[in-house]
Amino acid sequence: KNEVEQSPQNLTAQEGEFITINCSYSVGISALHWLQQHPGGGIVSLFMLSSGKKKHGRLIATINIQEKHSSLHITASHPRDSAVYICAVNFGNEKLTFGTGTRLTIIP
Amino acid sequence: SAVISQKPSRDICQRGTSLTIQCQVDSQVTMMFWYRQQPGQSLTLIATANQGSEATYESGFVIDKFPISRPNLTFSTLTVSNMSPEDSSIYLCSGLAVNNEQFFGPGTRLTVL
Repeated sequence: KNEVEQSPQNLTAQEGEFITINCSYSVGISALHWLQQHPGGGIVSLFMLSSGKKKHGRLIATINIQEKHSSLHITASHPRDSAVYICAVNFGNEKLTFGTGTRLTIIP
Repeated sequence: SAVISQKPSRDICQRGTSLTIQCQVDSQVTMMFWYRQQPGQSLTLIATANQGSEATYESGFVIDKFPISRPNLTFSTLTVSNMSPEDSSIYLCSGLAVNNEQFFGPGTRLTVL
């Protein structure tokens, strides 16, 4: 069965802390996406990965194909980073299978 | 990157009525999708919108309840028909670019009374 698991479900941290969100999947994939959803509901695509590592500003995404695992890191976290972060995977086709999301709250 | 807009952004509707949500992409995408996100849940794919032909629905979703149109490469509509409170959700459209990156609309927050 094609499954995507995220951890933790909820994460609260102080401003400035280094944040790590994890995503594991069950079988081989063609691509993995990290998405950000703000309270209004809109979704922003942060990264699309099939191997290695990508960096954009304070955000870093890594993927280990052999271990079927990806991490999203946020350096120098800020209250505006507070959102739900969603891992989504292409299991060999265009459709996305979504993780349950990680609700991140950064306290000033 | 593609920019996707949706209308309306939110609506409150009465039970038994229907609502049509519009999705516009500012550039061509290869595929368009419609998702539902029920309160506290992850996204669920409703259907793939096919240009000029009937949409491809996922298990549990049917055309009579969620008719979809896609008259051209950059525009699609989703209608939520004969609504009940259980249809209260965020509805999102997305487009798949040629590099397989997916872009999402801002969502339509629907409340059915």
